[in-house]
Amino acid sequence: AQSVTQLDSQVPVFEEAPVELRCNYSSSVSVYLFWYVQYPNQGLQLLLKYLSGSTLVKGINGFEAEFNKSQTSFHLRKPSVHISDTAEYFCAVTRRGAGNKLTFGGGTRVLVKP
Amino acid sequence: DAEITQSPRHKITETGRQVTLACHQTWNHNNMFWYRQDLGHGLRLIHYSYGVQDTNKGEVSDGYSVSRSNTEDLPLTLESAASSQTSVYFCASSESTGHGYTFGSGTRLTVV
Repeated sequence: AQSVTQLDSQVPVFEEAPVELRCNYSSSVSVYLFWYVQYPNQGLQLLLKYLSGSTLVKGINGFEAEFNKSQTSFHLRKPSVHISDTAEYFCAVTRRGAGNKLTFGGGTRVLVKP
Repeated sequence: DAEITQSPRHKITETGRQVTLACHQTWNHNNMFWYRQDLGHGLRLIHYSYGVQDTNKGEVSDGYSVSRSNTEDLPLTLESAASSQTSVYFCASSESTGHGYTFGSGTRLTVV
């Protein structure tokens, strides 16, 4: 079974500062990787995904993530955050060729301070 | 526009009662999923379906059931609600592997 670990449960950051959210997964086979964002009292929205090809993936709202197969990581970054980026972020993984079930990490709550 | 809707948004029920949460999507997606969200646990898969008449158990399926009689709907039933089932429930649908999910807005269920 696969698992996803988000190493930080909360990340406080000042406005216009960079942020990195860490995600590690455990799987011995090829995977697809996703990052989702959840704003307060809403459902989850897809930020970006890695399926294959370039290991640097760009998503919406200026976010990007880098897939590192050797370290089984998929860290999310943004060079300059805004107050509106305050939200919870979830990393998720699914095995290739094994249906479409996603396994989610525990989430990282980002609080952007003015 | 296509959408995925959950109802009700909030529900309070008593221990032992049967409760059904609705999920309806107009994306024409074959894949549908139910997750529960609890603090510190992220989202955990309850049940999922890859098409009409297909249903499968997820990692936390005890006490829950689903049925899929058409493409659009995947209702989630709590057979006998327990306080441990107090949670926020999310329904999601997906076109196929690799496309990611479209989520509903969630149902906050409180069992008293």
